[in-house]
Amino acid sequence: QSVLTQPPSVSGAPGQRVTISCTGTSSNIGANYDVHWYQQFPGTVPKLLIKGNTNRPSGVPDRFSGSKSGTSASLAITGLQAEDEADYYCQSYDNSLSGSVFGGGTKLTVL
Amino acid sequence: QVQLVQSGAEVKKPGASVKVSCQASGYTFISQDINWVRQASGQGPEWMGWISPKSGFTGYAQRFQGRVTITRDISKSTAYMELSSLRFEDTAVYYCARGGVGYNYGSGDLDPWGQGTLVTVSS
Repeated sequence: QSVLTQPPSVSGAPGQRVTISCTGTSSNIGANYDVHWYQQFPGTVPKLLIKGNTNRPSGVPDRFSGSKSGTSASLAITGLQAEDEADYYCQSYDNSLSGSVFGGGTKLTVL
Repeated sequence: QVQLVQSGAEVKKPGASVKVSCQASGYTFISQDINWVRQASGQGPEWMGWISPKSGFTGYAQRFQGRVTITRDISKSTAYMELSSLRFEDTAVYYCARGGVGYNYGSGDLDPWGQGTLVTVSS
């Protein structure tokens, strides 16, 4: 059971917008620690998608955006493309565990 | 380019220890933390700990306390992760990843990641 809670799966048709939530508590996201997001294709290394809640690393399309409010964060993907089909993970810091924590992951299916 | 290159796959028996290396290149090794993350097949990533290459300070996830040791060799721009008392459930791909600028204690983003090292615990 992960400290950060994500929906196991989300889906959308090409061109649509989807959001993936990441729900934490007052000891992690709610304590104002940054949230980071990763994209992972089967058999590959996770890739940083969003850092510091809202910032896209160089090379990440602006179709991907992040937000944070209270004890939750969200990843939004607009103009969904077949190539976006992957697993997505959120990450933050937890001060009661004194370490970083990940969400359980969300599998995005493009219909 | 910034790169982290890890050592090769390992097969260990239960109760043994494994030590995985992570050699950094393309940036100043002591400028950013190195984190270790593992991922079992079909599971999400699990953070294990971090090291500041500059100071040698470390921090470990509570569930690995006493079993994991992270060290570094500045002269080789290399970090190491040793996990002891291996169990079947420690079978996973182990990654090193560079911590983000301005973060500490493992709170930062992780980029880039090493290619991963498969550790198999089997009798």
